[in-house]
Amino acid sequence: EIVLTQSPGTLSLSPGERATLSCRASQSVSSNYLAWHQQKPGQAPRLLIYGASSRATGIPDRFSGSGSGTDFTLTISRLEPEDFAVYFCQQYGNSPLTFGQGTRLEI
Amino acid sequence: QVQLVESGGGLVKPGGSLRLSCAASGFTLSDYYMSWIRQAPGKGLQWVSYISSSGKSTYYADSVMGRFTVSRDIAKNSQYLQMTSLRAEDTGVYYCARVSGEGAIDYWGQGTLVTVSS
Repeated sequence: EIVLTQSPGTLSLSPGERATLSCRASQSVSSNYLAWHQQKPGQAPRLLIYGASSRATGIPDRFSGSGSGTDFTLTISRLEPEDFAVYFCQQYGNSPLTFGQGTRLEI
Repeated sequence: QVQLVESGGGLVKPGGSLRLSCAASGFTLSDYYMSWIRQAPGKGLQWVSYISSSGKSTYYADSVMGRFTVSRDIAKNSQYLQMTSLRAEDTGVYYCARVSGEGAIDYWGQGTLVTVSS
């Protein structure tokens, strides 16, 4: 199975700053089927990005995804207070579906 | 809007059984694959199962094969996870999730906690 490794484990930034989160796969992700999700305490996770770079419905354009093959990046251009959360990547190009361990974005 | 609401979690002894439910609204189960995904305390997310949009095909992680069974009731627009022979390592939050046409998880429930302990 594909192992997804996210870095850094924790990212400390301030509102207005730019956040760059990394997700590296142990082998190439088929069709670049890589998604990013956001999770806040007590809430259901929310899909942000699918297909490595497509924003899900209703997701602000400050969120962007890039990458291909084994290296993927989630960028938040200007952090808003509500963006401080845990972010995890998910690959769905190869069976079984697997997830990264998450990056905690904190103030 | 799309909503997924899980129920049925709780404390169960090793070797016991539990049935989780997921009530869906805002869409029809027969149009989508559905999944169960779990997260053990302090651990990452682990895919558990799929059920196809037709309901005719089911898929399981090796760790639960033969012990867990996924099913659905179209009339109730709900899916279920019957868990038997539960082990301590099955402890965690279980999420119900919808699978998009492309295969991404596009909607999640809030999760239900399953604790397997004597």
